[in-house]
Amino acid sequence: DAGVIQSPRHEVTEMGQEVTLRCKPISGHNSLFWYRQTMMRGLELLIYFNNNVPIDDSGMPEDRFSAKMPNASFSTLKIQPSEPRDSAVYFCASSSGTRFLYYEQYFGPGTRLTVT
Amino acid sequence: GQQVMQIPQYQHVQEGEDFTTYCNSSTTLSNIQWYKQRPGGHPVFLIQLVKSGEVKKQKRLTFQFGEAKKNSSLHITATQTTDVGTYFCAGRSAGNTPLVFGKGTRLSVIA
Repeated sequence: DAGVIQSPRHEVTEMGQEVTLRCKPISGHNSLFWYRQTMMRGLELLIYFNNNVPIDDSGMPEDRFSAKMPNASFSTLKIQPSEPRDSAVYFCASSSGTRFLYYEQYFGPGTRLTVT
Repeated sequence: GQQVMQIPQYQHVQEGEDFTTYCNSSTTLSNIQWYKQRPGGHPVFLIQLVKSGEVKKQKRLTFQFGEAKKNSSLHITATQTTDVGTYFCAGRSAGNTPLVFGKGTRLSVIA
């Protein structure tokens, strides 16, 4: 298996622009997680899906952030409009099992976002 | 809400020395997981502990889960340069809650 795939790997954009991050989970996994990592705040869970349904989005910082999972093999995280404080590495992770929270998470390589 | 604290934040050791990182939760955990992130990489799952007092070993790595299921530790014996990276614990409280990651311990190994 190719593992969790994220694109783009690097994104540099100007403040105010829309940014879309993409994730393809491991085939057969039914849970998907979006994280943001910064030096100051560490690894933060933004939102997670189970069977394509958003379960908890309480970690989404504000209305500028939105996430979708239209099918089992694809998810997007959108930031509109982007701000310099959104600069971070964004990870997507997937997991399997009906009691998904007990299973290990497989992380993608991440997208390094820089907003100038 | 649930918080997971890790200490130390950084640790520099000479190659061959031992290393330990500690993880403490503000609430009782149903399980705890450990991940390793190499510089420039992504977190990679190492192990999961579920039972009170559980101890698991992976070669030079020893993982413990406290009796009260509120703390955990990772001990590396005789560190090697390949051990360099950030080690994260991630705990989950009972109920339908997601994993909460600690901020990690960054390990540097000097050859």
